[in-house]
Amino acid sequence: DAGITQSPRHKVTETGTPVTLRCHQTENHRYMYWYRQDPGHGLRLIHYSYGVKDTDKGEVSDGYSVSRSKTEDFLLTLESATSSQTSVYFCAISESILGQGFGTDTQYFGPGTRLTVL
Amino acid sequence: EDQVTQSPEALRLQEGESSSLNCSYTVSGLRGLFWYRQDPGKGPEFLFTLYSAGEEKEKERLKATLTKKESFLHITAPKPEDSATYLCAVREAGNMLTFGGGTRLMVKP
Repeated sequence: DAGITQSPRHKVTETGTPVTLRCHQTENHRYMYWYRQDPGHGLRLIHYSYGVKDTDKGEVSDGYSVSRSKTEDFLLTLESATSSQTSVYFCAISESILGQGFGTDTQYFGPGTRLTVL
Repeated sequence: EDQVTQSPEALRLQEGESSSLNCSYTVSGLRGLFWYRQDPGKGPEFLFTLYSAGEEKEKERLKATLTKKESFLHITAPKPEDSATYLCAVREAGNMLTFGGGTRLMVKP
């Protein structure tokens, strides 16, 4: 299994409070991603990082910010949580974006964080 | 509009009853199609990557195939432990994946 941990694994919070989720990897992979998974929508990309301090937006980035100060850690912050952000959040990592012939573009997922915003 | 559609949404099989799951896509420039398995309460587990039409990959009772418009995940003589949700995802430019909604497979003994 890829060395990816997420913390916390479960969190219940109230509307309007800030929340930070952490993803930690031991694989030294360059790329890191945050997804959310909701019934009827599947997995959707929130933000991703292509290096320390290098991040970009995904499909559903509104209301979320990210930071990556070290290769191994990627943080997802909800500045002011809303009920629509209740979801399961997954972190993923990949070695590169080189595909065929290299096979290093596979994304490996962490165990997830279940977040409930009341 | 949906770029990746998986069917059926749910599939119930008897142990040993072979079948196939479908993933159809409409992306213009495919850079890779990925299959994952997801057990309840866990993160997706990587199964296969396919890059070119005609490519096939196998792992135990699973075989993935790819055409220009769709991919199939064939399950031969499934066992109860194959019960899970199977996800497919496609990659166009960069490394952003677009996921389908998944197929929930239940294999009864």
